[in-house]
Amino acid sequence: GAGVSQSPSNKVTEKGKDVELRCDPISGHTALYWYRQSLGQGLEFLIYFQGNSAPDKSGLPSDRFSAERTGGSVSTLTIQRTQQEDSAVYLCASSPGGDSNQPQHFGDGTRLSIL
Amino acid sequence: GNSVTQMEGPVTLSEEAFLTINCTYTATGYPSLFWYVQYPGEGLQLLLKATKADDKGSNKGFEATYRKETTSFHLEKGSVQVSDSAVYFCALSAHSNYQLIWGAGTKLIIKP
Repeated sequence: GAGVSQSPSNKVTEKGKDVELRCDPISGHTALYWYRQSLGQGLEFLIYFQGNSAPDKSGLPSDRFSAERTGGSVSTLTIQRTQQEDSAVYLCASSPGGDSNQPQHFGDGTRLSIL
Repeated sequence: GNSVTQMEGPVTLSEEAFLTINCTYTATGYPSLFWYVQYPGEGLQLLLKATKADDKGSNKGFEATYRKETTSFHLEKGSVQVSDSAVYFCALSAHSNYQLIWGAGTKLIIKP
């Protein structure tokens, strides 16, 4: 499809396990963003990629969170040793370039539940 | 730091009523301003945007004007429909970085 694609759409895992969330941005979009949407916290920025580099990682909540992007396209967000407070919807967005005037286009998100 | 404040919901209106959802912001410089909408069971969609003072964004009958003097970007619609029921998010993007700073969201319920 033409939009941002995220997988899986739902993930249930046990506390302490590692999880990987995938984002496939709109073709040609050089900027990619990860956000987290959780009850009580609203929408929080996690990390921003321009191409394969991440000039802004300021939103990653702890060193258990990491992300990478390869080939200027697909990105993976990894959470190690998951905790219950990691339960949230993880959203990926992309935009044509790193310009704050350009709107970001969102995927449907991955709903992560930590048991 | 940068922040966005929007009115708490839920906001409940009858069909064809006039809608205003207030949004104010704090930012250095001149940020870009956005309204996003999240319909039930769907992802976030851009509704409208404005990138400089006095710009008016509009889409699907919704409008919002970038007011620098009052640091506001209120969302309005003259006649709402049941299909407008959703959660509406106000957001800003500062020119110093590219992340979106979000309001808490306002749930809108339109009754027939």
